[in-house]
Amino acid sequence: ELKVEQNPLFLSMQEGKNYTIYCNYSTTSDRLYWYRQDPGKSLESLFVLLSNGAVKQEGRLMASLDTKARLSTLHITAAVHDLSATYFCAVDRAQKLVFGQGTRLTINP
Amino acid sequence: DAGVTQSPTHLIKTRGQQVTLRCSPKSGHDTVSWYQQALGQGPQFIFQYYEEEERQRGNFPDRFSGHQFPNYSSELNVNALLLGDSALYLCASSLRREWDTEAFFGQGTRLTVV
Repeated sequence: ELKVEQNPLFLSMQEGKNYTIYCNYSTTSDRLYWYRQDPGKSLESLFVLLSNGAVKQEGRLMASLDTKARLSTLHITAAVHDLSATYFCAVDRAQKLVFGQGTRLTINP
Repeated sequence: DAGVTQSPTHLIKTRGQQVTLRCSPKSGHDTVSWYQQALGQGPQFIFQYYEEEERQRGNFPDRFSGHQFPNYSSELNVNALLLGDSALYLCASSLRREWDTEAFFGQGTRLTVV
């Protein structure tokens, strides 16, 4: 059974700092997704990582995928308050997404 | 181009009742998946429909059933509602081809069972 684990589950950080969220998964998969969710809202797609070594960047967020280590990272650079949200990674398994528990990120002024 | 639309956005039901949630996929998409997201947790896969048939199913009881129509829209039905069925229900649409599997999510239906 595919399991997806994120850490940390809760992260409180100051504006301007850098930090990384980690996503480990238990079985081989070639596609990994990162989503953002604001309270009471649906999922907003951030990145789709399709192959080993893939790196994608959008603004202050950068995601990478290492399929051999079964690890993806979401790196936040010079955090701003607007990035406060819950972030989920999800691994594609035959078009079924298996989600991590989510990382609740709070960025304080 | 309309994205994935779900209805209703909010719903309150009583224990034991039945509920139907609806989803229209993104234009051009042929596959619909349903997820349940309890408060504070990640979404859990319920089932997936393609060509009007259930193709995959997660670990949910038979009280959860669905349907896909010829226009690719889908319904999720839950019978004999329990308090634990209170959650955000998300619909995702995608295209069946293996090289284009990104799922797009609707805004969700917030179901409260009292």
